[in-house]
Amino acid sequence: RKEVEQDPGPFNVPEGATVAFNCTYSNSASQSFFWYRQDCRKEPKLLMSVYSSGNEDGRFTAQLNRASQYISLLIRDSKLSDSATYLCVVNINDMRFGAGTRLTVKP
Amino acid sequence: EPEVTQTPSHQVTQMGQEVILRCVPISNHLYFYWYRQILGQKVEFLVSFYNNEISEKSEIFDDQFSVERPDGSNFTLKIRSTKLEDSAMYFCASRGAGEAFFGQGTRLTVV
Repeated sequence: RKEVEQDPGPFNVPEGATVAFNCTYSNSASQSFFWYRQDCRKEPKLLMSVYSSGNEDGRFTAQLNRASQYISLLIRDSKLSDSATYLCVVNINDMRFGAGTRLTVKP
Repeated sequence: EPEVTQTPSHQVTQMGQEVILRCVPISNHLYFYWYRQILGQKVEFLVSFYNNEISEKSEIFDDQFSVERPDGSNFTLKIRSTKLEDSAMYFCASRGAGEAFFGQGTRLTVV
């Protein structure tokens, strides 16, 4: 089983749609969790940390289920500028990345 | 805002040559990482470095790779004898207590 697995995508959605990404991780000792965003040929940039109680940042909501070892990211009212690859990142002692899910938001 | 800086932004080298990729992490960070991303593929962990030594390395990080923190600011990745398949974007990252911050990457092209 891979350390971090994500929906393969790609997701192609119209502007204004709600889209959800899922991620599972294999190591129950994982300590912290993040969603990063990566634009084409650029470095990954932090989108948001994921807290046990769930957290929201504007149109973005992240959830963590430690029992199921599952993380999610919900994007509401998607914008053209949300088009990117979304990376699930799990920290044990190192930051381990999922393969990423590509999102394209179309007019 | 503090940032991780990497040099060079693009390096072209001949197969079999040695390359050194340089990174200046954020100054008060304690954890340092190298990742690589082959074009169109996922970000892959290479190595982590803490307290002046390697704390974890992946199976990709074989004997041709080495890392150094030669002074208080630089963190380098050396590839001793480059292969064609080493062509990739190499990202350096550093972390304090929370999330990791990435440099803009060095695109390595081995010809």
